[in-house]
Formats: sequence, C-alpha cells, structure tokens
Amino acid sequence: DVKVTQSSRYLVKRTGEKVFLECVQDMDHENMFWYRQDPGLGLRLIYFSYDVKMKEKGDIPEGYSVSREKKERFSLILESASTNQTSMYLCASSRQVGVYSNQPQHFGDGTRLSIL
Amino acid sequence: GQNIDQPTEMTATEGAIVQINCTYQTSGFNGLFWYQQHAGEAPTFLSYNVLDGLEEKGRFSSFLSRSKGYSYLLLKELQMKDSASYLCAVRAVNSGYSTLTFGKGTMLLVSP
Repeated sequence: DVKVTQSSRYLVKRTGEKVFLECVQDMDHENMFWYRQDPGLGLRLIYFSYDVKMKEKGDIPEGYSVSREKKERFSLILESASTNQTSMYLCASSRQVGVYSNQPQHFGDGTRLSIL
Repeated sequence: GQNIDQPTEMTATEGAIVQINCTYQTSGFNGLFWYQQHAGEAPTFLSYNVLDGLEEKGRFSSFLSRSKGYSYLLLKELQMKDSASYLCAVRAVNSGYSTLTFGKGTMLLVSP
C-alpha cells in the first residue's frame, strides 16, 4: 500500500512565524502535491512537483513556498504565517503517468494548522 | 479555468441506492476521479473515468459523458459506513502539466 506520511496531525503557530510542513511518501512516486482544504471551498492546489528540485505553482500559491530536495520528501513552507492560513493541509503523491492513465493521487492524513 | 459543481449534501437510507452528480467545465480534460473522505481522514480513491460510459466496481459505479461535462457516482446497497464526503475531481492538462481540480464535495448521510 502507498504510504504518504505528514509530520504532524495538529500544529499551532503564531502570526509571523515561519512554518514548515513535511510530507514523505514511500512508493517512489515522481509527483507530489500540496493542497489546503477549507469548509465550503473544498480542496485547492497550492504547489506541486513533478521531479526533484522542480516546483510549479498551483491555484493559490501566495504566501507559500515549497522544497523538494529528495524524491520522497516534499515540504510546504509558510514564509510568515497569517491567520488566514489556518486550514487543513493535505499532501498527495502519484506515479508519473501517461495522458490517460488511471493512476490516482494518494493522500496523507493531513495537518490541521492553526495560526494564532 | 475549471468549474466543478456537485450538491452540497444528500441523505439516503441504509440499503437504498443514491446517485451523486457532478458537472464540470474545463479545457484539456483527461480524466475524472471520485474520492471518498470520512470526517478527519484522508481522501481515498474510488473510481476513474476517461471515456464515456459506466465503470463498475462492486457497490460503486461511476458514469461519464464528456460531451455533456457530466459524471455521476452511484452507490448501491448503502451501508452506514458510506456516510462520508464524496469528491469529484477533474484532471486536466494545462501548460504541459496534469493537475486535479476538486469540487467542493457532497456530504452523504446514510440513516438506518
């Protein structure tokens, strides 16, 4: 089974802090993704990566950055945390696919981040 | 951009059949996924459609019509454990990259 592990289930930080959310996958997947999930808004893509040291902006990248130094690890960084970044953060990974492949994204259990 | 619509909530009775609809507007379409998410847990993959028609997997089936921008998830012989949020997600290729855009999810409540 694919295992996507996020370092913390719950995290409380203060406004202005630099926050690191870590994600590790054990299936040698090429693709990794960071989402946030908010009530009434659903899952929204923040950043994604298709290879080591490669990153692409998703739909809502403002206030975030990412790092992918190793294939299995994808980090999300809140440069200066703000209260509107309080949310559930979900990491996902998937195999590099052909255009019509049915390979799904596999999700971690999420980190519920509160910014005070 | 992408636009995905699905009902916010649905209720059904144990043993019944329920159909959750999803409509979408997108460019570069290359597949539609359904995920199940129980409260406080990660979304888990249920089904995938890229060609028109019905895909059946046990009690769950998913249908796609690309010309209508429409999909549905059909759940048969409902069980209490099927109470969860069901997420419709469209995969599209933009700027050479393939990403998923999720609908806001449909919360299904199964009652005895």
